[in-house]
Amino acid sequence: DQQVKQNSPSLSVQEGRISILNCDYTNSMFDYFLWYKKYPAEGPTFLISISSIKDKNEDGRFTVFLNKSAKHLSLHIVPSQPGDSAVYFCAVNFGNEKLTFGTGTRLTIIP
Amino acid sequence: EAQVTQNPRYLITVTGKKLTVTCSQNMNHEYMSWYRQDPGLGLRQIYYSMNVEVTDKGDVPEGYKVSRKEKRNFPLILESPSPNQTSLYFCASSPSKGGNQPQHFGDGTRLSIL
Repeated sequence: DQQVKQNSPSLSVQEGRISILNCDYTNSMFDYFLWYKKYPAEGPTFLISISSIKDKNEDGRFTVFLNKSAKHLSLHIVPSQPGDSAVYFCAVNFGNEKLTFGTGTRLTIIP
Repeated sequence: EAQVTQNPRYLITVTGKKLTVTCSQNMNHEYMSWYRQDPGLGLRQIYYSMNVEVTDKGDVPEGYKVSRKEKRNFPLILESPSPNQTSLYFCASSPSKGGNQPQHFGDGTRLSIL
């Protein structure tokens, strides 16, 4: 059974500090990993991705780390800004045509 | 503007009354998909389509139908809606295979089945 878990439903971080969002997955073979961000009353928007042949991908303030041995994915946002307050979903492609999403983490940046 | 458009955005209806949620994309994308979002469950895929006339079941297809007669449109059909289909629904599209391509999402349709 292919599963994606985000064990922290919510996270609060002071503005300017680092936000770290975590994601665990199962049953990996060929995998591709994505992070989406969602504001209220809007659809999710793509943020950053990483393939299983890499262990890090960086895009501006956002960095995704992949630990394949631990089957663990994390998203780092630094410095955190008020506009980063949103729900963040990780998603995994387990080598098929589907994306499996985690349950989401609500990030609140405190000014 | 490149976008995925869903209609209606909100709908309250009753059990058993057939309804259709439309989805249209203007990006000439091959891949389209429907998801539902429920509290504590994240986004779960209902159906997806890799091209015209090609559709396949996602993780939670029961009670839903889809069709892909044209590349731009991918309607979601609830033939006999039930209260457990009350949810927030998202349509998404991507240029080709869904797994490795970032998907563009619509703004969602909130369905309430009484």
